[in-house]
Amino acid sequence: AQSVSQHNHHVILSEAASLELGCNYSYGGTVNLFWYVQYPGQHLQLLLKYFSGDPLVKGIKGFEAEFIKSKFSFNLRKPSVQWSDTAEYFCAVRRNSGYALNFGKGTSLLVTP
Amino acid sequence: AAGVIQSPRHLIKEKRETATLKCYPIPRHDTVYWYQQGPGQDPQFLISFYEKMQSDKGSIPDRFSAQQFSDYHSELNMSSLELGDSALYFCASSLEGYGEQFFGPGTRLTVL
Repeated sequence: AQSVSQHNHHVILSEAASLELGCNYSYGGTVNLFWYVQYPGQHLQLLLKYFSGDPLVKGIKGFEAEFIKSKFSFNLRKPSVQWSDTAEYFCAVRRNSGYALNFGKGTSLLVTP
Repeated sequence: AAGVIQSPRHLIKEKRETATLKCYPIPRHDTVYWYQQGPGQDPQFLISFYEKMQSDKGSIPDRFSAQQFSDYHSELNMSSLELGDSALYFCASSLEGYGEQFFGPGTRLTVL
């Protein structure tokens, strides 16, 4: 079945540590890739997106992600996390022929001071 | 910048009642999407509309229906509510062909 997999369900890091969250998808064909963040009690906000071109994309708040087509992956990275990055992170895939975003199960990130 | 507006923000209903959720997209956006997010779950796509026509359908129960109006706002109608319908319902909007979906703050529905 087509799906979006996020490898880490819960991540705890200290401030200034580096972050990498894994995301793999199993859809064939052309896809658009997204990372969304959901702060506690808030709505989903777009961190970054990949449609085409340079596979290394930079987003807001110092986040970046790399699309590796051969691995069907779109991992999220940040060199140095802050306490304010504590949130739920969702990877999402949209098939180029469709409208719906298909989300992964999410990764809960807790950054400790 | 204008964002997606959803109303109401909170709604409490009894089992078997009906509920109507409203979504007002970002100005000039012509596509609206509805997602359901259960407690501790990822958002699940329900349905979408482009230019007032249903454009895609996901895991929307038969008890639910939705439509998009001439001013592009959308309403999600939910009937015979069940306890399991308690969730956060997000609406998102986009400019057709652009792909990036902007999410509203959600409506938290509690069914008692």
